[in-house]
Amino acid sequence: DTAVSQTPKYLVTQMGNDKSIKCEQNLGHDTMYWYKQDSKKFLKIMFSYNNKELIINETVPNRFSPKSPDKAHLNLHINSLELGDSAVYFCASSQDSWEGYTFGSGTRLTVV
Amino acid sequence: GEDVEQSLFLSVREGDSSVINCTYTDSSSTYLYWYKQEPGAGLQLLTYIFSNMDMKQDQRLTVLLNKKDKHLSLRIADTQTGDSAIYFCAEISGGYQKVTFGTGTKLQVIP
Repeated sequence: DTAVSQTPKYLVTQMGNDKSIKCEQNLGHDTMYWYKQDSKKFLKIMFSYNNKELIINETVPNRFSPKSPDKAHLNLHINSLELGDSAVYFCASSQDSWEGYTFGSGTRLTVV
Repeated sequence: GEDVEQSLFLSVREGDSSVINCTYTDSSSTYLYWYKQEPGAGLQLLTYIFSNMDMKQDQRLTVLLNKKDKHLSLRIADTQTGDSAIYFCAEISGGYQKVTFGTGTKLQVIP
């Protein structure tokens, strides 16, 4: 069983479209995260939710909206996609953050 | 500042030791981590060290921490081709225990 699963794995879409990426974890963790990895492999946190409550919201355009229907799910909706949104988006979860994160395998988003 | 710096690239021969270095900036960091990312995959936690430790060994992996210089290193003994990947150091700090990742070091193992 996959611990942190993201769908879709690949997403190619045109500028201006709205898309969603889904994430689910079956580890029973309380906290989930979205990270963006750019073409230079630099990882930057976007959002963090603890038990469905938003706790970290970095400087991210408001076109990005996370939604956590329950503590096992954290979805990412992106409106009006731009070329610069092309990246790999990783979902992760943790029980206690000091124990480290369990990452999903990523969603490669390409905006054309 | 939040920059965690690593050298971009390291190439070693199979069987040699690899040393990957990291410089972090937040002296209040409580835990420091090493993650491995293989092509097309997410990051995998390799090991972590608590800030009151100087060294931690786990099989082929040795982590050294120099708090005075804010320097963290990962030594991989007897490096294998399967160790080829990008390695990220990371620190945890701040009220919300945010993890900040380094810039990543691509390790190439030559057979």
